[in-house]
Amino acid sequence: AQRVTQPEKLLSVFKGAPVELKCNYSYSGSPELFWYVQYSRQRLQLLLRHISRESIKGFTADLNKGETSFHLKKPFAQEEDSAMYYCALRRGVQFYFGTGTSLTVIP
Amino acid sequence: GAGVSQTPSNKVTEKGKYVELRCDPISGHTALYWYRQSLGQGPEFLIYFQGTGAADDSGLPNDRFFAVRPEGSVSTLKIQRTERGDSAVYLCASSSQGAGNTGELFFGEGSRLTVL
Repeated sequence: AQRVTQPEKLLSVFKGAPVELKCNYSYSGSPELFWYVQYSRQRLQLLLRHISRESIKGFTADLNKGETSFHLKKPFAQEEDSAMYYCALRRGVQFYFGTGTSLTVIP
Repeated sequence: GAGVSQTPSNKVTEKGKYVELRCDPISGHTALYWYRQSLGQGPEFLIYFQGTGAADDSGLPNDRFFAVRPEGSVSTLKIQRTERGDSAVYLCASSSQGAGNTGELFFGEGSRLTVL
Protein backbone atom coordinates (compact mmCIF):
# COMPACT_ATOMS: atom_id res chain seq x y z
CA ALA A 1 0.00 0.00 0.00
CA GLN A 2 1.06 3.56 -0.63
CA ARG A 3 1.30 5.95 2.24
CA VAL A 4 2.60 9.45 2.74
CA THR A 5 3.37 10.65 6.24
CA GLN A 6 3.88 14.21 7.34
CA PRO A 7 4.63 13.98 11.04
CA GLU A 8 4.25 17.68 11.85
CA LYS A 9 0.81 19.25 11.67
CA LEU A 10 2.13 22.64 12.73
CA LEU A 11 5.54 24.22 12.30
CA SER A 12 6.63 27.72 13.28
CA VAL A 13 9.95 29.34 12.43
CA PHE A 14 11.30 32.85 12.58
CA LYS A 15 11.87 34.84 9.44
CA GLY A 16 15.35 34.18 8.11
CA ALA A 17 15.68 30.85 9.88
CA PRO A 18 16.05 27.56 8.00
CA VAL A 19 12.94 25.47 7.59
CA GLU A 20 12.45 21.77 6.90
CA LEU A 21 9.09 20.12 6.38
CA LYS A 22 9.28 16.37 6.73
CA CYS A 23 7.73 13.82 4.43
CA ASN A 24 8.15 10.06 4.54
CA TYR A 25 6.59 7.61 2.18
CA SER A 26 6.04 3.90 1.82
CA TYR A 27 5.90 2.50 -1.66
CA SER A 28 7.26 -0.68 -3.16
CA GLY A 29 8.01 0.73 -6.61
CA SER A 30 9.87 3.76 -7.92
CA PRO A 31 8.14 6.76 -6.42
CA GLU A 32 7.27 10.04 -8.02
CA LEU A 33 7.00 12.67 -5.32
CA PHE A 34 5.64 16.16 -5.24
CA TRP A 35 5.13 19.04 -2.87
CA TYR A 36 1.90 20.99 -3.17
CA VAL A 37 1.22 24.27 -1.36
CA GLN A 38 -1.93 26.13 -0.40
CA TYR A 39 -1.56 29.79 0.51
CA SER A 40 -4.29 31.54 2.44
CA ARG A 41 -7.46 31.89 0.37
CA GLN A 42 -5.83 30.30 -2.66
CA ARG A 43 -6.21 26.94 -4.30
CA LEU A 44 -3.86 24.03 -3.90
CA GLN A 45 -0.98 24.29 -6.36
CA LEU A 46 2.18 22.45 -7.29
CA LEU A 47 5.35 23.70 -5.64
CA LEU A 48 7.90 21.25 -6.94
CA ARG A 49 8.41 17.69 -8.13
CA HIS A 50 11.41 15.49 -7.44
CA ILE A 51 12.07 14.46 -11.04
CA SER A 52 12.88 17.99 -12.15
CA ARG A 53 15.28 18.62 -9.26
CA GLU A 54 14.36 22.27 -9.34
CA SER A 55 14.35 25.02 -6.77
CA ILE A 56 11.10 26.94 -6.55
CA LYS A 57 10.82 30.03 -4.35
CA GLY A 58 14.04 28.94 -2.69
CA PHE A 59 12.64 25.54 -1.72
CA THR A 60 14.35 22.28 -2.60
CA ALA A 61 13.51 18.67 -1.86
CA ASP A 62 15.72 15.65 -2.32
CA LEU A 63 14.41 12.15 -2.68
CA ASN A 64 16.21 9.82 -0.26
CA LYS A 65 15.26 6.29 -1.19
CA GLY A 66 17.26 4.79 1.66
CA GLU A 67 15.31 6.74 4.24
CA THR A 68 12.14 6.86 2.08
CA SER A 69 11.96 10.59 2.63
CA PHE A 70 11.30 13.69 0.56
CA HIS A 71 11.79 16.55 2.99
CA LEU A 72 11.20 20.11 1.84
CA LYS A 73 13.87 22.62 2.78
CA LYS A 74 14.57 26.31 2.55
CA PRO A 75 17.63 27.98 4.06
CA PHE A 76 15.99 31.31 4.92
CA ALA A 77 12.26 31.36 5.55
CA GLN A 78 10.20 34.36 4.44
CA GLU A 79 6.85 35.56 5.77
CA GLU A 80 5.21 34.80 2.43
CA ASP A 81 6.13 31.13 2.89
CA SER A 82 3.42 30.80 5.53
CA ALA A 83 1.01 28.26 4.05
CA MET A 84 -0.21 24.68 4.16
CA TYR A 85 2.19 22.20 2.56
CA TYR A 86 1.23 18.75 1.30
CA CYS A 87 3.58 16.01 0.22
CA ALA A 88 2.17 13.74 -2.48
CA LEU A 89 3.15 10.48 -4.12
CA ARG A 90 2.03 9.49 -7.57
CA ARG A 91 1.48 5.88 -8.58
CA GLY A 92 0.25 5.64 -12.14
CA VAL A 93 -2.54 8.17 -12.42
CA GLN A 94 -3.34 8.26 -8.71
CA PHE A 95 -1.95 10.81 -6.29
CA TYR A 96 -1.75 10.10 -2.55
CA PHE A 97 -1.47 13.10 -0.26
CA GLY A 98 -0.15 13.45 3.24
CA THR A 99 -2.15 15.18 5.95
CA GLY A 100 -0.25 18.42 5.49
CA THR A 101 1.95 20.72 7.57
CA SER A 102 0.89 24.24 8.39
CA LEU A 103 3.95 26.48 8.27
CA THR A 104 3.95 29.83 10.04
CA VAL A 105 6.87 32.18 9.56
CA ILE A 106 7.09 34.62 12.43
CA PRO A 107 8.26 38.12 11.49
CA GLY B 1 -10.72 32.45 -16.26
CA ALA B 2 -8.57 29.57 -17.47
CA GLY B 3 -8.47 27.64 -14.21
CA VAL B 4 -10.54 24.78 -12.86
CA SER B 5 -13.95 26.05 -11.82
CA GLN B 6 -16.14 24.41 -9.17
CA THR B 7 -19.71 25.22 -8.23
CA PRO B 8 -21.20 25.76 -5.77
CA SER B 9 -18.44 27.04 -3.55
CA ASN B 10 -20.59 26.31 -0.52
CA LYS B 11 -23.51 23.94 -0.10
CA VAL B 12 -25.51 23.38 3.06
CA THR B 13 -28.01 20.56 2.98
CA GLU B 14 -29.99 18.38 5.32
CA LYS B 15 -29.27 14.78 6.09
CA GLY B 16 -30.88 12.51 3.53
CA LYS B 17 -30.94 15.03 0.71
CA TYR B 18 -29.35 14.70 -2.72
CA VAL B 19 -26.55 17.02 -3.85
CA GLU B 20 -24.65 17.65 -7.05
CA LEU B 21 -21.26 19.30 -7.26
CA ARG B 22 -19.96 20.53 -10.57
CA CYS B 23 -16.44 20.80 -11.97
CA ASP B 24 -15.37 22.57 -15.14
CA PRO B 25 -11.75 21.59 -15.89
CA ILE B 26 -9.10 23.47 -17.82
CA SER B 27 -9.90 23.36 -21.52
CA GLY B 28 -8.11 20.50 -23.22
CA HIS B 29 -7.34 18.57 -20.04
CA THR B 30 -8.43 15.01 -20.56
CA ALA B 31 -7.78 13.83 -17.02
CA LEU B 32 -10.13 14.86 -14.22
CA TYR B 33 -9.99 13.91 -10.55
CA TRP B 34 -12.30 14.29 -7.60
CA TYR B 35 -10.85 14.42 -4.11
CA ARG B 36 -12.46 14.84 -0.70
CA GLN B 37 -10.74 16.76 2.07
CA SER B 38 -12.00 16.47 5.60
CA LEU B 39 -10.92 18.82 8.34
CA GLY B 40 -7.28 18.30 9.25
CA GLN B 41 -6.70 15.78 6.51
CA GLY B 42 -5.06 15.79 3.12
CA PRO B 43 -7.00 15.35 -0.10
CA GLU B 44 -8.39 11.82 -0.39
CA PHE B 45 -8.82 10.32 -3.84
CA LEU B 46 -12.37 9.56 -4.96
CA ILE B 47 -12.46 9.02 -8.71
CA TYR B 48 -10.45 9.61 -11.86
CA PHE B 49 -11.73 10.21 -15.39
CA GLN B 50 -9.77 9.88 -18.58
CA GLY B 51 -12.01 11.46 -21.17
CA THR B 52 -15.60 10.39 -20.63
CA GLY B 53 -14.91 7.18 -18.78
CA ALA B 54 -14.26 6.61 -15.11
CA ALA B 55 -10.88 4.94 -15.32
CA ASP B 56 -10.59 4.48 -11.57
CA ASP B 57 -13.45 4.84 -9.10
CA SER B 58 -11.84 2.86 -6.31
CA GLY B 59 -11.91 5.82 -3.93
CA LEU B 60 -15.67 6.28 -3.88
CA PRO B 61 -16.65 5.38 -0.30
CA ASN B 62 -19.96 3.68 -1.12
CA ASP B 63 -22.73 3.49 -3.69
CA ARG B 64 -24.27 6.77 -2.55
CA PHE B 65 -21.48 8.50 -4.44
CA PHE B 66 -21.46 8.67 -8.21
CA ALA B 67 -19.74 10.87 -10.78
CA VAL B 68 -20.21 11.47 -14.49
CA ARG B 69 -18.39 13.24 -17.25
CA PRO B 70 -20.64 12.67 -20.27
CA GLU B 71 -18.84 14.83 -22.83
CA GLY B 72 -15.31 14.53 -21.53
CA SER B 73 -15.24 18.01 -20.09
CA VAL B 74 -17.54 19.07 -17.23
CA SER B 75 -17.98 16.54 -14.45
CA THR B 76 -20.66 16.23 -11.79
CA LEU B 77 -20.21 14.48 -8.47
CA LYS B 78 -23.51 13.22 -7.14
CA ILE B 79 -24.20 12.25 -3.56
CA GLN B 80 -27.44 10.54 -2.62
CA ARG B 81 -28.98 10.34 0.84
CA THR B 82 -26.34 12.59 2.33
CA GLU B 83 -25.00 11.86 5.80
CA ARG B 84 -23.31 14.16 8.29
CA GLY B 85 -20.05 12.32 7.66
CA ASP B 86 -20.13 13.49 4.05
CA SER B 87 -19.37 17.02 5.21
CA ALA B 88 -16.04 18.01 3.67
CA VAL B 89 -14.45 20.09 0.94
CA TYR B 90 -14.73 18.36 -2.40
CA LEU B 91 -11.86 19.22 -4.68
CA CYS B 92 -11.69 18.79 -8.41
CA ALA B 93 -8.42 18.72 -10.32
CA SER B 94 -7.53 18.34 -13.97
CA SER B 95 -4.37 17.39 -15.75
CA SER B 96 -3.11 17.05 -19.28
CA GLN B 97 -2.13 13.53 -20.21
CA GLY B 98 0.06 12.03 -22.87
CA ALA B 99 3.69 12.21 -23.86
CA GLY B 100 5.72 14.53 -21.73
CA ASN B 101 3.03 14.82 -19.13
CA THR B 102 4.43 16.32 -15.97
CA GLY B 103 1.75 14.87 -13.80
CA GLU B 104 0.88 18.26 -12.38
CA LEU B 105 -2.63 18.55 -11.00
CA PHE B 106 -4.49 21.85 -11.36
CA PHE B 107 -7.01 22.22 -8.56
CA GLY B 108 -10.22 24.12 -8.28
CA GLU B 109 -11.11 26.10 -5.17
CA GLY B 110 -13.33 23.34 -3.92
CA SER B 111 -16.96 22.94 -2.93
CA ARG B 112 -17.54 22.98 0.81
CA LEU B 113 -20.40 20.63 1.66
CA THR B 114 -22.07 20.81 5.05
CA VAL B 115 -24.69 18.22 5.94
CA LEU B 116 -26.83 19.20 8.92
